[in-house]
Amino acid sequence: GDSVTQMEGPVTLSEEAFLTINCTYTATGYPSLFWYVQYPGEGLQLLLKATKADDKGSNKGFEATYRKETTSFHLEKGSVQVSDSAVYFCALSENRGSTLGRLYFGRGTQLTVWP
Amino acid sequence: SQTIHQWPATLVQPVGSPLSLECTVEGTSNPNLYWYRQAAGRGLQLLFYSVGIGQISSEVPQNLSASRPQDRQFILSSKKLLLSDSGFYLCAWSAPRDGGYGYTFGSGTRLTVV
Repeated sequence: GDSVTQMEGPVTLSEEAFLTINCTYTATGYPSLFWYVQYPGEGLQLLLKATKADDKGSNKGFEATYRKETTSFHLEKGSVQVSDSAVYFCALSENRGSTLGRLYFGRGTQLTVWP
Repeated sequence: SQTIHQWPATLVQPVGSPLSLECTVEGTSNPNLYWYRQAAGRGLQLLFYSVGIGQISSEVPQNLSASRPQDRQFILSSKKLLLSDSGFYLCAWSAPRDGGYGYTFGSGTRLTVV
């Protein structure tokens, strides 16, 4: 079945460091891919998404490229800030005309950025 | 624009007491609705989902139930809470038949069963 695997973490970085959080997926069709962010005590917010191969999603300095050949959607940011400290979830949704549009989430990666 | 409201934000309930968490969506029709739980860490566990009024699918057997009495209202309930029901409960909605839309989440309810 469809699934997402992301690096477990926790990831601890100094401010202005480069960030990569790995995410790979397994899907039978051509999924849409997402990154969600959860700040402490809050619900999840959509950070970025890509709906087809080679698309690059970007937002708030974060980027991820939909790589079909490696079934990956790694999250990157060139210079992290303390305010980026949060839990990051990778997710996929199959585009098969299903009435559900269900998302399959990874387990989440805790990022802590120190000043 | 679409908005999702979830309440209460925090709740402390004794073991054996009932539970009712409510979630409403505005600005869209016939949304898919979801209840998730996040317990003791980061992982998200899908509890229930609904594709229409009165249509509820349960992902895991447990002490909870869900109902959808109106198109944009989703309620999570329990008759008798257990300690293991403690956690962070999240409601979400998505556009029907659109895998590229993703979910919009509510702000969550922190439930502590004592």
